[in-house]
Amino acid sequence: DTAVSQTPKYLVTQMGNDKSIKCEQNLGHDTMYWYKQDSKKFLKIMFSYNNKELIINETVPNRFSPKSPDKAHLNLHINSLELGDSAVYFCASSQGTAYSNQPQHFGDGTRLSIL
Amino acid sequence: GENVEQHPSTLSVQEGDSAVIKCTYSDSASNYFPWYKQELGKRPQLIIDIRSNVGEKKDQRIAVTLNKTAKHFSLHITETQPEDSAVYFCAAPFSGGYNKLIFGAGTRLAVHP
Repeated sequence: DTAVSQTPKYLVTQMGNDKSIKCEQNLGHDTMYWYKQDSKKFLKIMFSYNNKELIINETVPNRFSPKSPDKAHLNLHINSLELGDSAVYFCASSQGTAYSNQPQHFGDGTRLSIL
Repeated sequence: GENVEQHPSTLSVQEGDSAVIKCTYSDSASNYFPWYKQELGKRPQLIIDIRSNVGEKKDQRIAVTLNKTAKHFSLHITETQPEDSAVYFCAAPFSGGYNKLIFGAGTRLAVHP
């Protein structure tokens, strides 16, 4: 069983469109994250939710809106896609509270390409 | 500030040699230091981590050392094998919040047979 699963794996779309990426974890973890990995492989946190509550909101354009319907799911909706949004988006999860430093487990990533 | 510096950016070794990757962090309150391995087209996978109450941790061919005074930690891979070829990331939490990991820029390790 995949512990952290993301869909879709690949997403190719036109500039200006709106798209969503879904993430689910079956590890029973309390905290979930979205990361962006750019073409230079740099990994940067975007958002974090702890038990459905938004905890971390980095300097991300408000075209990006995360939603956590329950602690096992964290989705990412992106409006008005731009060329610079092309990247691999990783979902991750970890056990424990917002302050505890526990290992983060990553999903397989969603490769977003904007035409 | 939030900063983790990682060196070198690329590392090429012969099979059987050792490889060392070093990271420096800026937040003296950081207390957890994971290392991730990312193979081409795959997800980052945790390979080893260390907490600030120990100076060294080993797992088979992989070891991590921590120097809290100097605020740096290192990954050591011994007897490297071609399957060790990947990008390795160090990370450290920013104490200002909420298990927010700051990642280094990555080291591309190539192990040549």
